[in-house]
Amino acid sequence: EPEVTQTPSHQVTQMGQEVILRCVPISNHLYFYWYRQILGQKVEFLVSFYNNEISEKSEIFDDQFSVERPDGSNFTLKIRSTKLEDSAMYFCASSEGWEQPQHFGDGTRLSIL
Amino acid sequence: GENVEQHPSTLSVQEGDSAVIKCTYSDSASNYFPWYKQELGKRPQLIIDIRSNVGEKKDQRIAVTLNKTAKHFSLHITETQPEDSAVYFCAARTGTYKYIFGTGTRLKVLA
Repeated sequence: EPEVTQTPSHQVTQMGQEVILRCVPISNHLYFYWYRQILGQKVEFLVSFYNNEISEKSEIFDDQFSVERPDGSNFTLKIRSTKLEDSAMYFCASSEGWEQPQHFGDGTRLSIL
Repeated sequence: GENVEQHPSTLSVQEGDSAVIKCTYSDSASNYFPWYKQELGKRPQLIIDIRSNVGEKKDQRIAVTLNKTAKHFSLHITETQPEDSAVYFCAARTGTYKYIFGTGTRLKVLA
């Protein structure tokens, strides 16, 4: 069964640095999403992306964040000037259509020191 | 703003008993409601979903019910097994391209 893959599995970064989290959605999927989950808390929506543009974003997704689909397979989340509170698990998800279920990747654990 | 409330936060049941988790959403334009099971350190996995034009859906031991008028939806697990122990999240897709998750229910099935 095809899967969403995320790299790296764990990223450790100094506060103030920039990080890029990478995702390879399932190949025939058209809708892409990023979520954040702080340890022990709920899954929080960050952004949805379709047709090379942001469809919707949450209040969390401020100017510090950006997403990009640099080629036909990757979908990236960039976090600039990282803060301690950015430490969390970041999940990428994709769906075949807007009406179709989302498939989640295994996540990237981001630790800001 | 858009919100999904989920209860209870923890639930312990004896093996073989049923478990019920309830969610309430605020955005009346929400039209799709997935449920996810998340084991420790793992990805959320879709276990069942329901669309707003359906009142109930069942898949073996798992069922979901939706009351659009009251903006409630519930997950029902029958004949629970120890491997059902996990955190369960409900979610609602809003009228826009956004998903709002509930706060999660930690289910413990006692053998």
